[in-house]
Parts: sequence; structure tokens; C-alpha cells
Amino acid sequence: QLQLQESGPGLVKPSETLSLTCTVSGGSVSNISNYWGWIRQPPGKGLEWIANIYYRGSSYYNPSLKSRVTIFVDTSKNHFSLRLNSVTAADTAVYFCARLGYYGSGNYAFDYWGQGTLVTVSS
Amino acid sequence: EIVMTQSPATLSVSPGERATLSCRASQSVSSNLAWYQQKPGQTPRLLIYGASNRATGIPARFSGSGSGTEFTLTISSLQSEDFAVYYCQQYVDWPPLAFGGGTKVEIK
Repeated sequence: QLQLQESGPGLVKPSETLSLTCTVSGGSVSNISNYWGWIRQPPGKGLEWIANIYYRGSSYYNPSLKSRVTIFVDTSKNHFSLRLNSVTAADTAVYFCARLGYYGSGNYAFDYWGQGTLVTVSS
Repeated sequence: EIVMTQSPATLSVSPGERATLSCRASQSVSSNLAWYQQKPGQTPRLLIYGASNRATGIPARFSGSGSGTEFTLTISSLQSEDFAVYYCQQYVDWPPLAFGGGTKVEIK
């Protein structure tokens, strides 16, 4: 059974960099069919897609965050990571990592999710 | 950039009744649409992909329909465990992978 687990600091100071890692177990980030991504959810609000990456390194970003975000993958460690620069209180959210699985005929969906980690931006 | 709009924001339904949730895309997404369920304090769960295909283990009371810009998620007979927030998401044209704002299904 594929499992994803987020790790990283729960508290980040304003203007600093948020760094999270998602460790994948029970499967490989090098699976050719899938992408790997980050989604966030501010307290009491909806889901916002942040970025996706393919194991060969192709990355895709939400235009609203692109200038501050980097996603990267380490196939040797079977994990992928997120960096978000210059954070403000508006970046406070639960951050989920997830697999974007391929279902054929051009169909994709986030089918496996980590449990999520709350990151608070505060001094 | 495609914008997804869900309605209503909140739907009050009695157990055993049918719930109909709507999702509209600002431009055609063909059938490239997924639905997710999120209960309080839990991770989102994939319900539907390809607008109408149930994901593994999803009960038959959940059904999706639509194509182009108008989509519907129907829960035929609401069970207590179905009270949650539901999100649609398009994947025809990304980035970005846009989610709708969600519909909360609450007990009437």
C-alpha cells in the first residue's frame, strides 16, 4: 500500500523559507505513470494546488506562487520536497503531499495523500 | 487559466435523501474532472475521475456526470458518513490544477 508522509518544521518566521519533504513508501517516485505534488489548505478554507513534479525532474507550478516555489525530487531517497520562499502569514496552512496517478485516456487524479502537516508562519 | 466554481456553498440534506452538487468550469475541460471528499480533520479522498468513473472502493451511491463546463456529483441516499466537504478539480489544462471552492454537505 502506497504511503506518503510529510516532514518539516511546523513554525516558520515571516520572510524565511518553508521547507517540506514527502517520503514515499510502498512504491517508487520513479514510477513512469505518476506525478508527485503539493497541495495546501489554509485553516477553514479550500484546497490550493502548489506544484507537481515528474521523477525525471519536469516541474509545474501554480502561477500565483511560481516566483517563490521550488519542487524537486530525489529518486535515491524516494522522496520529493517543496521550498517556499519569503513566507507571510498568508502561507499558514496544512500542506499535503499527494500522488497524481494516471488512470488512462488522459485521466489523472490525486489518489494517495499524506496526512498533512500544519505550517504556521509567525514570529 | 481555468476557474472552477462549485454550488451551492452549503447543502443541507436529511439522511437518506439525494444530494446533487454542481461544478462549473470557466471553459471546457472535456471529461477531465475529478471529485474529492474531505471530512473534518481528514485528508481528501478521491471519489470520481474522468467525470464519471468511481475510484477504487467508492460506493455506488456516488455518481458523477457531465462534460464540457457543467458537472454534477450525486449522492443517491445520504449516509451519516457522507456529510463532508466535496471538491471538484480539473486536469485538462495545467498548470494550474484548479480546485473548486468546495460544497459542504451538512445534516438538515
